[in-house]
Amino acid sequence: KAGVTQTPRYLIKTRGQQVTLSCSPISGHRSVSWYQQTPGQGLQFLFEYFSETQRNKGNFPGRFSGRQFSNSRSEMNVSTLELGDSALYLCASSLSSGPSYEQYFGPGTRLTVT
Amino acid sequence: AQSVTQLDSQVPVFEEAPVELRCNYSSSVSVYLFWYVQYPNQGLQLLLKYLSGSTLVKGINGFEAEFNKSQTSFHLRKPSVHISDTAEYFCAVSDGSGNTGKLIFGQGTTLQVKP
Repeated sequence: KAGVTQTPRYLIKTRGQQVTLSCSPISGHRSVSWYQQTPGQGLQFLFEYFSETQRNKGNFPGRFSGRQFSNSRSEMNVSTLELGDSALYLCASSLSSGPSYEQYFGPGTRLTVT
Repeated sequence: AQSVTQLDSQVPVFEEAPVELRCNYSSSVSVYLFWYVQYPNQGLQLLLKYLSGSTLVKGINGFEAEFNKSQTSFHLRKPSVHISDTAEYFCAVSDGSGNTGKLIFGQGTTLQVKP
């Protein structure tokens, strides 16, 4: 079974631009969560989607948004990029929404903002 | 709000020696606890999890952890480490009372296994 895939793996953008990151969950998984990983703040929860609905949202500005499609694939978008948005963005999928469902992480998208 | 504290940012240890990575969490009525490992340039891999039941949890690669409710701790142990265990380890908590998979992570502990 294929794992969680994230595209692109690496991305370089300029301040003020916007970016879209993609996540394809494991086949059959309906829940997708996003996390931001930085050396200073560590791993922080961005949002969680289940059956195309946002279930939970972390403490990030409105520039960060996401969505989930009917095939469970998810995208996150960051508008008006800032230098501080440089990070590894990780996507995780699980069979369903809830703490007892194991989350499987993708390799991440490394975003560099210059 | 839930929080997780990993007490050591770096733990150096010699190969074949035992190791303990410490994790404390903020108390909650019900909580689920996890340990993840991250190898360089990779995502996170689940080592083990505590949902309920036995307080001693066994995971992959010879790791185990003990849930201690009175001390709000969930320390990770391995009796004999290998060079290949060199990685970053994250303790995480999920609110067991909510219908969400949101994880709160600690800051991570870098395990450096020396030959």
